[in-house]
Amino acid sequence: NAGVTQTPKFQVLKTGQSMTLQCAQDMNHEYMSWYRQDPGMGLRLIHYSVGAGITDQGEVPNGYNVSRSTTEDFPLRLLSAAPSQTSVYFCASGLAGGTGELFFGEGSRLTVL
Amino acid sequence: TQLLEQSPQFLSIQEGENLTVYCNSSSVFSSLQWYRQEPGEGPVLLVTVVTGGEVKKLKRLTFQFGDARKDSSLHITAAQPGDTGLYLCAGEDDKIIFGKGTRLHILP
Repeated sequence: NAGVTQTPKFQVLKTGQSMTLQCAQDMNHEYMSWYRQDPGMGLRLIHYSVGAGITDQGEVPNGYNVSRSTTEDFPLRLLSAAPSQTSVYFCASGLAGGTGELFFGEGSRLTVL
Repeated sequence: TQLLEQSPQFLSIQEGENLTVYCNSSSVFSSLQWYRQEPGEGPVLLVTVVTGGEVKKLKRLTFQFGDARKDSSLHITAAQPGDTGLYLCAGEDDKIIFGKGTRLHILP
């Protein structure tokens, strides 16, 4: 069972470069979300989606774009990378409507120089 | 702005001791979850609580949801080195947000 698949697992960027973190899930989940995890900060919500064609901002959306053209995919785009975006990024999916359980990918470690 | 405050931030105790960690908010959530995260991995769900006052047990772990659905606690009885990890609470309304976590270290 694939679950939630994130790529790449590791990436090094220079300041100002752009890139896309890919996220795909095969569980037919309506809800998908992106979090960043920094030391001592827990998981902070960047963007989330409750279904195809619907996205919304989370707690820390600046510098990131998302789209949800299909139920399966939820890519996260960094438009112009900054050192402050160095972090571990997690994609998660779950059933919408209050069951609460999120299934996480393995994470993508991004370093911006 | 919704916030989930977890305490303590760090906890190091001896094997066999009991402990409680807390998750508090000024907001009401439709449900609250506890996750555990190991280094290099994504969080994994331990439990979801939905009803105010609800208590759930998972072996030596007891989870309680406050009557007003704003806070929760996790109690571990007779902690073991295998309980070491990062414990995160998460609250759900139309989105799911997380607290900063409690890093637990159980000494053998």
